[in-house]
Amino acid sequence: DAMVIQNPRYQVTQFGKPVTLSCSQTLNHNVMYWYQQKSSQAPKLLFHYYDKDFNNEADTPDNFQSRRPNTSFCFLDIRSPGLGDAAMYLCATSAGDGANVLTFGAGSRLTVL
Amino acid sequence: AQSVTQPDIHITVSEGASLELRCNYSYGATPYLFWYVQSPGQGLQLLLKYFSGDTLVQGIKGFEAEFKRSQSSFNLRKPSVHWSDAAEYFCAVGPPDTGRRALTFGSGTRLQVQP
Repeated sequence: DAMVIQNPRYQVTQFGKPVTLSCSQTLNHNVMYWYQQKSSQAPKLLFHYYDKDFNNEADTPDNFQSRRPNTSFCFLDIRSPGLGDAAMYLCATSAGDGANVLTFGAGSRLTVL
Repeated sequence: AQSVTQPDIHITVSEGASLELRCNYSYGATPYLFWYVQSPGQGLQLLLKYFSGDTLVQGIKGFEAEFKRSQSSFNLRKPSVHWSDAAEYFCAVGPPDTGRRALTFGSGTRLQVQP
């Protein structure tokens, strides 16, 4: 089945220790998104790629970076995680065809000690 | 700016009872509208979507939603709830005809189902 895969599902890191979360997709979708979801809150968009075109949300902290080396993969780098960065990180894709239907991965839960 | 309001943070219903989850949006034009469901520790799954046309849309798992332009609402309904429906439900809006734009989500409604 075509899908969106996130790794790792659970990540524990120490305060200030860099973390990379990965997302891969077999849907061949043009657009890939990273959302941050804290407990009992709505997913909050961090940034997205339309093909190689990177779009950062205005309020996304500089601590968060992203890379998309090819169509299938996208990475979220957190350079110096703080306690407030503990959250579920959701990757999603869409075809970019106007329908705007997002397909989500299962998420990566980040714990910061 | 667009926004989505889900006024009910938490709803409890008995198994077999009917369900309605409320969603109101603020948008300059008629947006694309979505309902997603999230089980604990999982990603979001699309239940249904409205783009245009018939204002009553059918989704998966027996859910339906009705778009009411005059009320800026897109409420989710199910006639008979099953225990497996216990989850968090998110309403979302997106700009029409621009598939590269991301969705804006409401804060969610957590559904509990009593036996």
